[in-house]
Amino acid sequence: DAGITQSPRHKVTETGTPVTLRCHQTENHRYMYWYRQDPGHGLRLIHYSYGVKDTDKGEVSDGYSVSRSKTEDFLLTLESATSSQTSVYFCAITPGQGNIQYFGAGTRLSVL
Amino acid sequence: GQQLNQSPQSMFIQEGEDVSMNCTSSSIFNTWLWYKQDPGEGPVLLIALYKAGELTSNGRLTAQFGITRKDSFLNISASIPSDVGIYFCAGQGIQGAQKLVFGQGTRLTINP
Repeated sequence: DAGITQSPRHKVTETGTPVTLRCHQTENHRYMYWYRQDPGHGLRLIHYSYGVKDTDKGEVSDGYSVSRSKTEDFLLTLESATSSQTSVYFCAITPGQGNIQYFGAGTRLSVL
Repeated sequence: GQQLNQSPQSMFIQEGEDVSMNCTSSSIFNTWLWYKQDPGEGPVLLIALYKAGELTSNGRLTAQFGITRKDSFLNISASIPSDVGIYFCAGQGIQGAQKLVFGQGTRLTINP
């Protein structure tokens, strides 16, 4: 499982509330990614990180922010959740200098 | 941005049949990856391709990196029930360092 833990695995929240999803890795990989998965869209990149405090936007970053204060943790925050952010969220890492990404088990988020 | 068109979107086959799916793009890619996702889990890497024309096998799975570098194919021979799932192609473009673009996925259903 590439040493990736996502928490929580499931969450139901209400529109307008803040939500933070956590991705934890145990092997000090430099690159970490957050994706969302929706039917018909595959996996779309929200944000990624290339080191502590080094992050950049992906293709669907609006409404999301991230933080990486430690190598092992990459946090995804929805400041004010909307129903359009109901989705399955996946964290991924890239070991070393390669480009293969390994994924966590996902977080299913429902915004009511 | 770069996009991948994956087809077919879904397949319904009989156990024992061979399966073919492909991804195409208008952009050139340096790397093609194929992943499989089981229900409730994250995608798992099946095959990685790094060179135009490369043909790589992993058991009953065979994938090819198109010569034009704009497409890739995945074949599954003699399908079995555990092949059920969603298959994703992913590519790393020449500008997208350490980032991948994903196809929309092919959902494979097998009738025993």
